[in-house]
Amino acid sequence: AQRVTQPEKLLSVFKGAPVELKCNYSYSGSPELFWYVQYSRQRLQLLLRHISRESIKGFTADLNKGETSFHLKKPFAQEEDSAMYYCALRAGGTSYGKLTFGQGTILTVHP
Amino acid sequence: NAGVTQTPKFRILKIGQSMTLQCTQDMNHNYMYWYRQDPGMGLKLIYYSVGAGITDKGEVPNGYNVSRSTTEDFPLRLELAAPSQTSVYFCASSYSWGETQYFGPGTRLLVL
Repeated sequence: AQRVTQPEKLLSVFKGAPVELKCNYSYSGSPELFWYVQYSRQRLQLLLRHISRESIKGFTADLNKGETSFHLKKPFAQEEDSAMYYCALRAGGTSYGKLTFGQGTILTVHP
Repeated sequence: NAGVTQTPKFRILKIGQSMTLQCTQDMNHNYMYWYRQDPGMGLKLIYYSVGAGITDKGEVPNGYNVSRSTTEDFPLRLELAAPSQTSVYFCASSYSWGETQYFGPGTRLLVL
């Protein structure tokens, strides 16, 4: 069975500082990885997916199959980045389509 | 488009009571999902549906039932509420398995 681990429940940085939210996964096949974000009083929404290889709101994430990681990075954090971030994995085979979520990391960016 | 809507936003239940959490989407998505979000535990899939009349269990289905009579609606039923079902419930939908899942605003349920 697949598993997603986000080791930090809480992460605090100051505005303008770099930020990295860690995500590690365990899955024997080729996964599809996602980052979802939930801003205060808003619904959960997709931030980015690894197959797109795009930067959204200044965030990037690279899938490292050797380290089984998909860390989310931003070089200069902004106050509006404060939110709950979830890493998620979609497996193949019979589990295709189902998302497995990590525990989530609450990011707080201080002014 | 309203996207995915859920009602109610918040509900308090007594142990043993029953209730239905409503979920509706107006995006003509075939696939719909129910998740529960427990503190520090992330989201776990309860049930999902690949189309009207077709549902299947997710990771944590015990204590819940679902039905899918239309493409738009995917209600989640709690028959005998237990304190362990205190959680935030999210409904989501997607056009297909491989597409982005769109989430509703959530229903906060407290069972006392």
